[in-house]
Amino acid sequence: NAGVMQNPRHLVRRRGQEARLRCSPMKGHSHVYWYRQLPEEGLKFMVYLQKENIIDESGMPKERFSAEFPKEGPSILRIQQVVRGDSAAYFCASSPWTLGNEQFFGPGTRLTVL
Amino acid sequence: AQRVTQPEKLLSVFKGAPVELKCNYSYSGSPELFWYVQYSRQRLQLLLRHISRESIKGFTADLNKGETSFHLKKPFAQEEDSAMYYCALSGTTGNQFYFGTGTSLTVIP
Repeated sequence: NAGVMQNPRHLVRRRGQEARLRCSPMKGHSHVYWYRQLPEEGLKFMVYLQKENIIDESGMPKERFSAEFPKEGPSILRIQQVVRGDSAAYFCASSPWTLGNEQFFGPGTRLTVL
Repeated sequence: AQRVTQPEKLLSVFKGAPVELKCNYSYSGSPELFWYVQYSRQRLQLLLRHISRESIKGFTADLNKGETSFHLKKPFAQEEDSAMYYCALSGTTGNQFYFGTGTSLTVIP
């Protein structure tokens, strides 16, 4: 089992461009979580998805941010019209369907907005 | 509502000294509590969870339901313990996770 994969590991965008962050969960895991870690700050929950469903997006900014977890393929976190304040490390985690299970984290994508 | 509170953003202790990282939670029902650790340049990984009641790398954490706390303790800190530590809570509905803001532990040689 390869573990949670995230790509790219580093992403540089200019203000106004779009950023697409990908997360492939561990095999057999149907729950995906996205977190943001701003410089000098802790981990903040953004969104929780199951296949083809957004379960909880209470941590997502109201505008420019969206997430999906299609039936086939990785989960995508999309940030439109990026601004400098979006610069952060974005982590994805996955867990199996059982309630209360451990989350397995990916290595993160470090987004830098110039 | 803040589910998990880690009051200390930074904590420094000397090598060999005891260390305690505080975590308080707010949740109705019976949550599961976890400690995650992030060493420099590594991914976040599970350190321990309260239901397993085991000691990992010398760390233990006891769930105190009366005080709604899940403090992480180690009797003798080592330099390799320097890392970011996150307390986390899993609710009994919806499989949601709540993380604290983290405590950065530095063990001084």
